[in-house]
Amino acid sequence: EIVLTQSPATLSLSPGERATLSCGASQSVSSSYLAWYQQKPGLAPRLLIYDASSRATGIPDRFSGSGSGTDFTLTISRLEPEDFAVYYCQQYGSSPTFGQGTRLEIK
Amino acid sequence: QLQLQESGPGLVKPSETLSLTCTVSGGSISSSSYYWGWIRQPPGKGLEWIGSIYYSGSTYYNPSLKSRVTISVDTSKNQFSLKLSSVTAADTAVYYCARLRWELLSWFDPWGQGTLVTVSS
Repeated sequence: EIVLTQSPATLSLSPGERATLSCGASQSVSSSYLAWYQQKPGLAPRLLIYDASSRATGIPDRFSGSGSGTDFTLTISRLEPEDFAVYYCQQYGSSPTFGQGTRLEIK
Repeated sequence: QLQLQESGPGLVKPSETLSLTCTVSGGSISSSSYYWGWIRQPPGKGLEWIGSIYYSGSTYYNPSLKSRVTISVDTSKNQFSLKLSSVTAADTAVYYCARLRWELLSWFDPWGQGTLVTVSS
């Protein structure tokens, strides 16, 4: 099983700032099969990024993904108030697993 | 627009079997060659993939749950279902159904709204 470790656990930033979230894998994720999701309280996760760097339909271009192998990053270029939420990474290069999440909170 | 909706009992007794159904609307579960899956999230915790099924009935389960999980599909009702046997308090979670893409190794999109299942006597 591939274990995904997200850092930091909590990120405190202000609207307008740049957010960088990390996802590290215990072994290489084949074909960069990595996705990112956003989850707000009481709601289901929403797909943001798939295949490490492809934006899902309707996702603003301030969200971008990068990385390969064991190190992946989600970047939000300029935070909007609605971006404060919990973010999860998920690998699907093998039996799917999720990271434990990064909470992005307003500073 | 494709929508998924989970349904089933919100309370299950320990040692019994949890049964949930996901109803797909806005598209046929069998007309497109997609996989369909179940994911759960214990209160205040992260996400865990449970298993996935192809519209033809082929299944793929999380190895840690495989001995207790059965996923099935009913194309006539446009539904797929989850059964989890011998439940304990550790199985208390919000259960989500979701669509994968046309192959098993996939992201999940879209998701249902989720349904909370509590295991308690």
